[in-house]
Amino acid sequence: AQSVTQLDSHVSVSEGTPVLLRCNYSSSYSPSLFWYVQHPNKGLQLLLKYTSAATLVKGINGFEAEFKKSETSFHLTKPSAHMSDAAEYFCVVSGPSNTGNQFYFGTGTSLTVIP
Amino acid sequence: EPEVTQTPSHQVTQMGQEVILRCVPISNHLYFYWYRQILGQKVEFLVSFYNNEISEKSEIFDDQFSVERPDGSNFTLKIRSTKLEDSAMYFCASNGQGRYEQYFGPGTRLTVT
Repeated sequence: AQSVTQLDSHVSVSEGTPVLLRCNYSSSYSPSLFWYVQHPNKGLQLLLKYTSAATLVKGINGFEAEFKKSETSFHLTKPSAHMSDAAEYFCVVSGPSNTGNQFYFGTGTSLTVIP
Repeated sequence: EPEVTQTPSHQVTQMGQEVILRCVPISNHLYFYWYRQILGQKVEFLVSFYNNEISEKSEIFDDQFSVERPDGSNFTLKIRSTKLEDSAMYFCASNGQGRYEQYFGPGTRLTVT
């Protein structure tokens, strides 16, 4: 069975400081992992994905995530937070193939960026 | 850039009424999904659809729910007799052949009174 745990429901950082959003996963298969972002009143936008290629994945807007199998983690990082990064972030694990797999969402982490 | 669209953005209905939520997936995508997010809770999978049939569904997707792709562009979710607990944000998603990532629409907020 697949599941993800987002360890922090809320993270607050100052503008210009690093961002770390934590995610641990559980999967019966070699997982595909994703981070999505949801700005207020907007849909879910794909930030980045891991699909068994390079373990360090770079995404949009300066975000990156590292897949660590030994720790079953897929934490999201950004070196320097921007005000526009304030949003809800979801870690997602998918099933074993790319055909009609359901996504399993974490409970989300709300990121606040303090000016 | 192509995107998934959903209509309406907000639907208010009375308990027991039927609602149809509409989605237009990205045009060359083959796999379609519905998810819902009850306020304050996580996003939950409802159903996936491929080749004009349901490929997977969750326990939430009971007999009150149905999906349809009536033409080459629309993908609909019907709730036959809405309950108060159906109030949620409903997201449509799609992905293409050989692509793992799903592309989500902006959602329809359903309010059942």
